[in-house]
Amino acid sequence: QVQLKETGPGLVQPTQTLSITCTVSGFSLTSYYMQWVRQTPGKGLEWMGFIRSGGSTEYNSEFKSRLSISRDTSKNQVFLKMNSLKTEDTGVYYCARITTVGVMDAWGQGASVTVSS
Amino acid sequence: DIQMTQSPASLSASLGETVTIECLASEDIYSNLAWYQQKPGKSPQLLIYYANSLNDGVPSRFSGSGSGTQYSLKINSLQSEDVSIYFCQQNYDSPYTFGAGTKLELK
Repeated sequence: QVQLKETGPGLVQPTQTLSITCTVSGFSLTSYYMQWVRQTPGKGLEWMGFIRSGGSTEYNSEFKSRLSISRDTSKNQVFLKMNSLKTEDTGVYYCARITTVGVMDAWGQGASVTVSS
Repeated sequence: DIQMTQSPASLSASLGETVTIECLASEDIYSNLAWYQQKPGKSPQLLIYYANSLNDGVPSRFSGSGSGTQYSLKINSLQSEDVSIYFCQQNYDSPYTFGAGTKLELK
């Protein structure tokens, strides 16, 4: 059974770094691309970036300067790190599996993040 | 960036009705269009990919069509469990942009 679960801090202060872990089961990270998408009140759903099955990454240029996606295949985990957080980064952050046709066929339940002092 | 314009923003329909949601891309996306359904408090779920291919397990009352820049999602015989927000997304070119969503409610 394919499962994805995000864990994150909940509350982050402005200018600080956000770290979220996506733990997956039921499939191998070396066989699928994994993507991060966020949903914010201001901009709705936004594609943030992905990590390919081989480990290389691609980012939305909107976030490129402050976003990093990585993984630990031995732990079945994918990581999102984003620095210099602003209040506008408040939202729900999702990890999702990408199929061979480039769409997201499995999603985590989302990690709610509030950026506030 | 490719802009995805979804319409209507909200829609109210009765049980058993047929509804259609439209998505307009700012340039040709060659059918690289997916539809997602997001139920209240849940994550989005894939309904349709490549404009008209039904994802596994999705009821056949859902269908997608379109080409070029114009796409649509049709729901036949509306059921109560279809109350959701529906999003389109183009996966043709980075950044892979989403529509703003259509909120479907029961009349």
